[in-house]
Amino acid sequence: KTQVEQSPQSLVVRQGENCVLQCNYSVTPDNHLRWFKQDTGKGLVSLTVLVDQKDKTSNGRYSATLDKDAKHSTLHITATLLDDTATYICVVGDRGSALGRLHFGAGTQLIVIP
Amino acid sequence: DMKVTQMPRYLIKRMGENVLLECGQDMSHETMYWYRQDPGLGLQLIYISYDVDSNSEGDIPKGYRVSRKKREHFSLILDSAKTNQTSVYFCASSPLGSQNTLYFGAGTRLSVL
Repeated sequence: KTQVEQSPQSLVVRQGENCVLQCNYSVTPDNHLRWFKQDTGKGLVSLTVLVDQKDKTSNGRYSATLDKDAKHSTLHITATLLDDTATYICVVGDRGSALGRLHFGAGTQLIVIP
Repeated sequence: DMKVTQMPRYLIKRMGENVLLECGQDMSHETMYWYRQDPGLGLQLIYISYDVDSNSEGDIPKGYRVSRKKREHFSLILDSAKTNQTSVYFCASSPLGSQNTLYFGAGTRLSVL
């Protein structure tokens, strides 16, 4: 059973527009949540990690929220660029150490057009 | 330079052949992982290694084995590859004490014909 669901599956936006990606999960316990960016044919690169019960992070044009009560996270991308075209993957960790398990979503494919 | 390096990047094998995928990291991370990524699915954990010769099965270990003789190297072996093992394989590493630092390699695209 999929424990991390991402929506939408794919998204097309025009350069300069903002977009929001969603991640809902059922993983318990939920120690932390991380967003990764995966360029086509490349590995995963961490964008941000959220830890607190209600958490917010910001990393340049990327900002993220986490609500552990709702088991829900969002990734906001402001003023999208063509280089933002990628798959964005939500990952929930059930522990803070490597002894825990990571649960991966299938990703949201974002395409930014001129 | 903090890096996870995977070799080869692309590989084509025939069914029944043996396959060796190699992964190296330069961060002295204790923990290393092998995942596979298939279209429409999240990454699936094949094996995890907590240090040299300390390996544990992940969620889909069948048909795979691993070797970790040095902390910086982690190999994935497919004995007698099957067509359903066609996939993209990712190696990752993290310190044992924290998953807040997690680095991925660029992946190996394996096709088994």
